Amino acid sequence: QKEVEQDPGPLSVPEGAIVSLNCTYSNSAFQYFMWYRQYSRKGPELLMYTYSSGNKEDGRFTAQVDKSSKYISLFIRDSQPSDSATYLCAADSGTYKYIFGTGTRLKVLA
Amino acid sequence: DAGITQSPRHKVTETGTPVTLRCHQTENHRYMYWYRQDPGHGLRLIHYSYGVKDTDKGEVSDGYSVSRSKTEDFLLTLESATSSQTSVYFCAISVGDGATDTQYFGPGTRLTVL
Repeated sequence: QKEVEQDPGPLSVPEGAIVSLNCTYSNSAFQYFMWYRQYSRKGPELLMYTYSSGNKEDGRFTAQVDKSSKYISLFIRDSQPSDSATYLCAADSGTYKYIFGTGTRLKVLA
Repeated sequence: DAGITQSPRHKVTETGTPVTLRCHQTENHRYMYWYRQDPGHGLRLIHYSYGVKDTDKGEVSDGYSVSRSKTEDFLLTLESATSSQTSVYFCAISVGDGATDTQYFGPGTRLTVL
């Protein structure tokens, strides 16, 4: 079992929809949780960073961590075609070594 | 790309040849990383460095070596490339104050081993 699991998709939604992207993890030592966005043939770019449990909002993006169920989510409101990308979740226990999920491909249809 | 450059950006090589990939950062960040990205596996850590001449292995280090003789440069070497090392390689740096460090990635190097 991988330490961080993520559904690969693809996930297709119409423009304007609310998107929910999810990951589960198995290591209870993870304290830091990240979401990256990766466009085709580009490097991953950091979207959201969350420490421990709770919610964090940044514009149309909300990251949510539920440590009791070992579940992390990224919500995208009012999704746009420009949000079409692969989204990677990552977790860290403070060792400076991230464990990444395999990524979920998202397509937002105009 | 957070001041990170990778060279070359694309390389095609033959099985058995040595290959060196370079990662360069424009600031003095202590931690640097090499990952490979493959379909179905996501990003996997090969090696990382926590200072000049200080390196350690990651999840998939077999067949790879690294060197860091200067803070700004982190080199990844495939001593004898194999077809299984065909992948996209990303360098990353860790940026922060030690409490909330986050990783930023370079543009990637696409390596094909024939």
